[in-house]
Amino acid sequence: QSVLTQPPSVSAAPGQKVTISCSGSSSNIGNHNVSWYQQFPGTAPKLLMYENNKRPSGIPDRFSGSKSGTSATLGITGLQTGDEADYYCGTWDGSLSVSVFGGGTQLTVL
Amino acid sequence: EVQLLESGGGLVQPGGSLRLSCAASGFILSNFAMNWVRQAPGKGLEWVASVSGSGDITSFADSVRGRFSISRDNSKNTLFLQMNSLRVDDTAVYYCARGRKVGLTPWFDFWGQGALVTVSS
Repeated sequence: QSVLTQPPSVSAAPGQKVTISCSGSSSNIGNHNVSWYQQFPGTAPKLLMYENNKRPSGIPDRFSGSKSGTSATLGITGLQTGDEADYYCGTWDGSLSVSVFGGGTQLTVL
Repeated sequence: EVQLLESGGGLVQPGGSLRLSCAASGFILSNFAMNWVRQAPGKGLEWVASVSGSGDITSFADSVRGRFSISRDNSKNTLFLQMNSLRVDDTAVYYCARGRKVGLTPWFDFWGQGALVTVSS
């Protein structure tokens, strides 16, 4: 089981908005920034968001991130079929002294 | 352009050893901590190990500590993962990933394409 908890799957129609949650504890999300990664089948993960809400160069502003307490959220607006992928949250766990990831969320654009 | 290219994956018997390499280009390797992250078939991401830019500080996940070692040769722009006493549950795609950090919180801004390690008799 992963230290960070994500819903296994989410879905929404093209053009709509979806949010993906990432729940942790005070030893990880509660005291550390969160990053998000996008992974298409058979390919490497790609950084989507860092320091909770900062987008790397090239990531469209349809993607947004937020954090409150011990949870973080990735938001995607104007959904496209090309957004169908697995999404992972990640952070540092100060009690375990390791980087930790969520179990991943599969996004389906119906 | 930042590029990371893993090599050295393959099929190995339980108890065997394997050494992965990650060739880096497009940036000054010594300026960055580097990491290995693995993904078992159909599973999520698991951080495995990290090494500081100079190579003097390493850390490992509990699942591999004592069996795996991480090192780097900055003069050759290469990261390594030496895997010993391999177990069936080490079977995974192994990614090298460049590390960034603010305070204590790291993230991984560039990833290689991955190297498949299969541990099976």
